[in-house]
Amino acid sequence: NAGVIQTPRHKVTGKGQEATLWCEPISGHSAVFWYRQTIVQGLEFLTYFRNQAPIDDSGMPKERFSAQMPNQSHSTLKIQSTQPQDSAVYLCASSLGDWGGYEQYFGPGTRLTVL
Amino acid sequence: GEQVEQRPPHLSVREGDSAFITCTYTDPNSYYFFWYKQEPGASLQLLMKVFSSTEINEGQGFTVLLNKKDKRLSLNLTAAHPGDSAAYFCAVSAGTNAYKVIFGKGTHLHVLP
Repeated sequence: NAGVIQTPRHKVTGKGQEATLWCEPISGHSAVFWYRQTIVQGLEFLTYFRNQAPIDDSGMPKERFSAQMPNQSHSTLKIQSTQPQDSAVYLCASSLGDWGGYEQYFGPGTRLTVL
Repeated sequence: GEQVEQRPPHLSVREGDSAFITCTYTDPNSYYFFWYKQEPGASLQLLMKVFSSTEINEGQGFTVLLNKKDKRLSLNLTAAHPGDSAAYFCAVSAGTNAYKVIFGKGTHLHVLP
């Protein structure tokens, strides 16, 4: 079991460019989560998929952020027109289900730097 | 919605001393609680999962206490060693939307040799 895989590990973009982040959840896990981690805000919930369906995107900044899960083996987080304030570590996590007692398994994260 | 406050944000202890980290939460319906450890440059690793029915939980080198009356979750690292140096995060599963786990802002622990 390779755990949750995230690529790339580091990404540098210029202001206004697009960034696409990839996540491969643990096989058999039906729930996939995206978080953003910064020193100031800590871990912020962005969005959640259950069995590939988007369930809750209440944490996603509107207009520029979007997430998809086209199949059970990967999810993408896309940021259009990146801004310096988007610089953060983006974490993907998966769990067996969305029952609150299931722990989430985190990937290594993608560190996004917007110049 | 649920809010989780974690204290202290930074903590330095000598090797062999105890390190105590506390989180308070607001939703009385919260039922699942987690502690995660994040070493520098690495991702979050689950330390312990706690259900609300258990007040004291023993791990390897640490104890987790849950006080539901005060809505307080604590992590006590006993006899800390340099390998314990990391960021520690508490997490609380909200009572209504149970999948939405709310994290504390973390405690950066430095264990001095």
